[in-house]
Amino acid sequence: AQRVTQPEKLLSVFKGAPVELKCNYSYSGSPELFWYVQYSRQRLQLLLRHISRESIKGFTADLNKGETSFHLKKPFAQEEDSAMYYCARGSIYNQGGKLIFGQGTELSVKP
Amino acid sequence: GAGVSQSPSNKVTEKGKDVELRCDPISGHTALYWYRQSLGQGLEFLIYFQGNSAPDKSGLPSDRFSAERTGGSVSTLTIQRTQQEDSAVYLCASSTGYSGYEQYFGPGTRLTVT
Repeated sequence: AQRVTQPEKLLSVFKGAPVELKCNYSYSGSPELFWYVQYSRQRLQLLLRHISRESIKGFTADLNKGETSFHLKKPFAQEEDSAMYYCARGSIYNQGGKLIFGQGTELSVKP
Repeated sequence: GAGVSQSPSNKVTEKGKDVELRCDPISGHTALYWYRQSLGQGLEFLIYFQGNSAPDKSGLPSDRFSAERTGGSVSTLTIQRTQQEDSAVYLCASSTGYSGYEQYFGPGTRLTVT
């Protein structure tokens, strides 16, 4: 089965500390991977995707095919980063962009 | 332009009743997706539309769930004979339909079955 695993339900850090949200996926292949974020009382939105190799709001994510991981990192967390983060992958059957999501990690950045 | 909209934003219904949830995608987006967000289950895929056809219904949890899309635009998700385990936030998203492209999500409909 295609799976995306986010092992941490809740991650709590202090402002200015580094943060890493873990994501592992099943099946190596050539996955399309994404991080989506949901801030309080806002809709789910794309944060970044691996094909873009971009840094958004200071976050980066590196695809490690050997470890089948796509961890999200930021060197200095800010309070406004507090949100729910979901790792997702496209289906290996290329089903029109269908996404398979992890369970989500709630990031809490304390002052 | 306007984003994805969903209605109603909240729906409380009694067990056994039917409910209809509506999604208006971004104009011009050919692909439309329904997901369900519930405690302990994360985000689950339900169904995907390309135009008016649904090539992937694999996520629908039972035959009480159905969905349609008309005119390549508005979609309706229908749940018949609702059960308490159907309580969740139902999210709709739309995109250009190409894998790897961003999905734009609506605000969701919170369904509570009493």
